[in-house]
Amino acid sequence: AQSVTQPDIHITVSEGASLELRCNYSYGATPYLFWYVQSPGQGLQLLLKYFSGDTLVQGIKGFEAEFKRSQSSFNLRKPSVHWSDAAEYFCAVDTGGYNKLIFGAGTRLAVHP
Amino acid sequence: DADVTQTPRNRITKTGKRIMLECSQTKGHDRMYWYRQDPGLGLRLIYYSFDVKDINKGEISDGYSVSRQAQAKFSLSLESAIPNQTALYFCATSGTSGGGSNTGELFFGEGSRLTVL
Repeated sequence: AQSVTQPDIHITVSEGASLELRCNYSYGATPYLFWYVQSPGQGLQLLLKYFSGDTLVQGIKGFEAEFKRSQSSFNLRKPSVHWSDAAEYFCAVDTGGYNKLIFGAGTRLAVHP
Repeated sequence: DADVTQTPRNRITKTGKRIMLECSQTKGHDRMYWYRQDPGLGLRLIYYSFDVKDINKGEISDGYSVSRQAQAKFSLSLESAIPNQTALYFCATSGTSGGGSNTGELFFGEGSRLTVL
């Protein structure tokens, strides 16, 4: 069965530091890949997505992610974190193309001033 | 106003009660979804609907039912609520872009927090 693993439950970084959130998926082919962010008390907002083509994708709020087929990974990065980036981040995959997303358990990001 | 609206936002109920969570959208999307969020488990798909006459079970449909009253409305019901249905529930929509291709993005409501005592 398809699955998504986010190995880090909680991550704390200092404001201005770089960030990398890990995501690994289990699927025989290349799925559609997504990163969503959930701010406290809010729904989820799409940060970026990968369907095909260039394996480095740019998203909103200065985030980017790189698809690595050999590692079945789709890690999210940001060069300099802002306090407003504190939130929970979810990696998701769509293996059937019907927007039936399978989500990882999420990584909660805390940002220290 | 939000494009995807969920009501109620918060609800506390007792075991055995019937509960309905409602979702309406103004995005004109044909696809609607109900997800459940539990700490440490992420979001799991309960039901989804690709149009008014198309309803499908998701990963965790047991104990839930849905109704697609119109393209814009998709309701989730718990016929007899139990404590392990305490969770945050999200409605989401997706649809095609102006060019007709599916953008793949889900648009979420703000969630309905349900507590079953």
